[in-house]
Amino acid sequence: GAGVSQSPRYKVTKRGQDVALRCDPISGHVSLYWYRQALGQGPEFLTYFNYEAQQDKSGLPNDRFSAERPEGSISTLTIQRTEQRDSAMYRCASSLGMDRSGELFFGEGSRLTVL
Amino acid sequence: AQKVTQAQTEISVVEKEDVTLDCVYETRDTTYYLFWYKQPPSGELVFLIRRNSFDEQNEISGRYSWNFQKSTSSFNFTITASQVVDSAVYFCALSGQFSGGYNKLIFGAGTRLAVHP
Repeated sequence: GAGVSQSPRYKVTKRGQDVALRCDPISGHVSLYWYRQALGQGPEFLTYFNYEAQQDKSGLPNDRFSAERPEGSISTLTIQRTEQRDSAMYRCASSLGMDRSGELFFGEGSRLTVL
Repeated sequence: AQKVTQAQTEISVVEKEDVTLDCVYETRDTTYYLFWYKQPPSGELVFLIRRNSFDEQNEISGRYSWNFQKSTSSFNFTITASQVVDSAVYFCALSGQFSGGYNKLIFGAGTRLAVHP
């Protein structure tokens, strides 16, 4: 597609429910990143993939968070047993190649609200 | 540890004024990258510039200019003759070879710029 696409744009869920956030990167982009942005803060790194391989998941807050990119394109970020503190904007980004550090193209984000 | 500090939380200017957004960073890497991103009211994050630690040349792109000074660990961003469309939150970011890798950006908290007509 023309840009990074994320769905859903808005998600309201009750505490304890699982949520899955989807990211469709720019076609041909090798690297895919997940960031989380709390209100009034800058984005915070969660994890990233090169192709289908998860290269770094050090930013995932705990084991309730997981991400996958099984075919090297679309990625899903899953949060199990959501808690109110998980409420944030979840941003996906992609980049053309592994050597193009930092030139990330961000999607519009998925705003998660946990009640 | 890596850290990016944007001390200015909010700046308000009148159109056509020049404005400088400050960014100070901390890193133990000798090789690192610095970035600026723009987040307009619509919410997306837009890449503006990347600078590597070996290139201290200032850069100008239209009304935008960036001043990288290693001696003061600063990477400031100046908008000349500001316009209402410049109103946004601006983020400075850093990545380093040995501090998580070049692909792991550390963002500052952002500076909200409001340009009034």
